[in-house]
Amino acid sequence: AQSVTQLGSHVSVSEGALVLLRCNYSSSVPPYLFWYVQYPNQGLQLLLKYTTGATLVKGINGFEAEFKKSETSFHLTKPSAHMSDAAEYFCAVSSNQAGTALIFGKGTTLSVSS
Amino acid sequence: EPEVTQTPSHQVTQMGQEVILRCVPISNHLYFYWYRQILGQKVEFLVSFYNNEISEKSEIFDDQFSVERPDGSNFTLKIRSTKLEDSAMYFCASSQEGATVNTIYFGEGSWLTVV
Repeated sequence: AQSVTQLGSHVSVSEGALVLLRCNYSSSVPPYLFWYVQYPNQGLQLLLKYTTGATLVKGINGFEAEFKKSETSFHLTKPSAHMSDAAEYFCAVSSNQAGTALIFGKGTTLSVSS
Repeated sequence: EPEVTQTPSHQVTQMGQEVILRCVPISNHLYFYWYRQILGQKVEFLVSFYNNEISEKSEIFDDQFSVERPDGSNFTLKIRSTKLEDSAMYFCASSQEGATVNTIYFGEGSWLTVV
């Protein structure tokens, strides 16, 4: 069975500050890990993904995440927040088999103030 | 860039009515999914579909729900006898067969409001 826990349902940062959104996972098989972003009234957009290989993965819009197996974590970071980053962020896990479902965390709302 | 498209974007229906939500997955994808997101809650998996049959479903996907691939391009979710608690955003998604990464691409969603 797989599950995802996102610590903090709401994170607030100032423009230019570091963004850190936390995600911990549980998986009985090697996980594939994803971060999706949802802007208001829009669908889910893939930010980045980890499959195998390099544990630090870079995504769109300057975001990156590091897979830490020992900590079962996949935290999302961005060095400098921009107002346009305000959105809902979802961490998700799946297995490496094509067609298996994504299991999502409850999401973290990121607010960015000027 | 190819995308998953969904119709309608918003539908209001009366309790007890049947609703069909439509999706056009990305053309070379063979795995199709429906997820839902009740307002303020997390995105939940409903069902996955491959080779004209359900490959996986969650406990949410009971007899009230059904999916169909009526032709070569559309993928539909039917909700029979809708209830107030079916009000949610329903996301269609698709992924490639045999992909080394099970990357799932989502549509923009269909808002269903049951009154």
